[in-house]
Amino acid sequence: AQTVTQSQPEMSVQEAETVTLSCTYDTSESDYYLFWYKQPPSRQMILVIRQEAYKQQNATENRFSVNFQKAAKSFSLKISDSQLGDAAMYFCAYRSATRAGNKLVFGAGTILRVKS
Amino acid sequence: EPEVTQTPSHQVTQMGQEVILRCVPISNHLYFYWYRQILGQKVEFLVSFYNNEISEKSEIFDDQFSVERPDGSNFTLKIRSTKLEDSAMYFCASSRDSNSNQPQHFGDGTRLSIL
Repeated sequence: AQTVTQSQPEMSVQEAETVTLSCTYDTSESDYYLFWYKQPPSRQMILVIRQEAYKQQNATENRFSVNFQKAAKSFSLKISDSQLGDAAMYFCAYRSATRAGNKLVFGAGTILRVKS
Repeated sequence: EPEVTQTPSHQVTQMGQEVILRCVPISNHLYFYWYRQILGQKVEFLVSFYNNEISEKSEIFDDQFSVERPDGSNFTLKIRSTKLEDSAMYFCASSRDSNSNQPQHFGDGTRLSIL
């Protein structure tokens, strides 16, 4: 079974600074997808960024980028120029690519606090 | 942008009672999911649903749980006889098609409190 580990329960960053959230995963599969979801307080989970395991190039979405290290099974999220609106719980998630409609396996989450 | 909507936002129920959590997935989505998050713990997969049948379920999804798509829009999770440990946030999600890199879109969740 696949597992996802987020070792940082909580992180803080100063507004306009950069922060990196860590995620590692364990799988025996070679083909899969990785996701970062953001969950603001009392709000729905929103997809931030995704990475296909077969792609070597790291995904980027505006101020959000990932460092995907397949051999190390590591998938960290970097947030540049942090904004107050980035404050949320961030979940790393894994999804097998073996068939359609596969479930997401989530990490425990990291609370990100942004200081003004 | 279309959203997954869940009702109610908060449900309080006596232990042993039946509860139905409702979800309206995004209209052109074909895959539907339920997840739950017990306070302070990980988000856990419960069940996935496609083409009017369960495609996968976790060990949490025992005989007390059932899912249904009673019409063309709603997707419901029923807990037949609730237990204290069913208290959690329940999230519904949907995804578009059979391409497994399609993201799952989540609702705001229903907070279920069992007394």
